[in-house]
Amino acid sequence: QSALTQPASVSGSPGQSITISCTGTSSDVGNYNLVSWYQQHPDKAPKLMIYEVNKRPSGVSNRFSGAKSGNTASLTISGLQTEDEADYYCCSYATGSTLVFGTGTKVTVL
Amino acid sequence: QVHLQESGPGLLKPSETLSLTCTVSGLSISSGYHWGWIRQPPGKGLEWIGSIHYSENTCYNPSLESRITISVDTSRNQFSLQLRSVTAADTAIYFCARIPHTGGPVITLYHLDYWGQGTPVTVPS
Repeated sequence: QSALTQPASVSGSPGQSITISCTGTSSDVGNYNLVSWYQQHPDKAPKLMIYEVNKRPSGVSNRFSGAKSGNTASLTISGLQTEDEADYYCCSYATGSTLVFGTGTKVTVL
Repeated sequence: QVHLQESGPGLLKPSETLSLTCTVSGLSISSGYHWGWIRQPPGKGLEWIGSIHYSENTCYNPSLESRITISVDTSRNQFSLQLRSVTAADTAIYFCARIPHTGGPVITLYHLDYWGQGTPVTVPS
């Protein structure tokens, strides 16, 4: 069970849009619509931002959106704001009743 | 409002057994969710450890399965993690979380919607 692959860092200016990719395999991302995304600020617990590929929990800004194509999922943050600066992790259900996380992406607001 | 709180010793010696407890409030642990453990080594990413249902059905990370036991105590609304034979590589922040799921012949775990604040565990090398 290998970690899903994410870019180490992504940056953008306030107001811009950025997209974070999350690449897995046919045993996880590619075979299940059960990709979730988490935002983690320093020394804080992760927060659920997207679940089941593209659903937003109550209270999460509609600037956050998710999508999936084949073995790759993505998280897009539109209208980038300073408070969006954080680490982001994808997660997928994987064959065998397990969960696998992505390697994590540090988002920097320039 | 669902609240999860981890507790346990913060410092262990190599080869000892780590024991952590997660206390759930605001919801009965028997309400039908999976309850899971996740860890994060210093400066590194998240790793799913495993999870349990109040019926005691468990799901474990294959890479840790030989060293872990997750149990549930419905009378105390708690679930626990035991990690045996710890080494410095087990140094991490340990989080507990709630996991919506579907049951049946194959348990399908969905996502982690409520998290505890995390508790640090250190194993010196």
